[in-house]
Amino acid sequence: GQQVMQIPQYQHVQEGEDFTTYCNSSTTLSNIQWYKQRPGGHPVFLIQLVKSGEVKKQKRLTFQFGEAKKNSSLHITATQTTDVGTYFCAGADNYGQNFVFGPGTRLSVLP
Amino acid sequence: NAGVTQTPKFQVLKTGQSMTLQCAQDMNHEYMSWYRQDPGMGLRLIHYSVGAGITDQGEVPNGYNVSRSTTEDFPLRLLSAAPSQTSVYFCASSYLRGGNTEAFFGQGTRLTVV
Repeated sequence: GQQVMQIPQYQHVQEGEDFTTYCNSSTTLSNIQWYKQRPGGHPVFLIQLVKSGEVKKQKRLTFQFGEAKKNSSLHITATQTTDVGTYFCAGADNYGQNFVFGPGTRLSVLP
Repeated sequence: NAGVTQTPKFQVLKTGQSMTLQCAQDMNHEYMSWYRQDPGMGLRLIHYSVGAGITDQGEVPNGYNVSRSTTEDFPLRLLSAAPSQTSVYFCASSYLRGGNTEAFFGQGTRLTVV
């Protein structure tokens, strides 16, 4: 079945440094979503990417969807302590109905 | 709007007991789903529903049942709890618009089976 992998599993950065997490699918995706989960909280939707090669920005966050629609990345510029949490990608199959979540990247930001 | 409401927030069960986790949404979403979250494994889909009266299995359905008698409610039943079902459970809902859209998650239920 479809598998979604994420690297790194953990990332510790100093406040102000950049951060990137990568997501790779074993199969071609119809679209991909990104979520953020704060410690002890629930996943919160960040963005959905649909088109091959798509790039979207939300303030300091930049999301990319690969040309082959099998990989994606999330880049945070100049991290802040409020960025702490686990970032999950979730890839949808060709019907775009069910999402398979990656294991997540846990981000720690040291002040 | 309350969004997605899950109850209870915490639960301790003995092996072999049964229980129902409740999930309700007030956004008229067609799609509802249950996930379990275990350390290092992300969220795994247990069961899902694309509308009232329609349910289907996800990646890890064994030991769980669901029903969808109304658009709003999607309860998850543990038939005979086992220690392997110790996990955090999340319910989510979303619109289906030619594919799935932004999912709204409940606050989660932390379940321990002893």
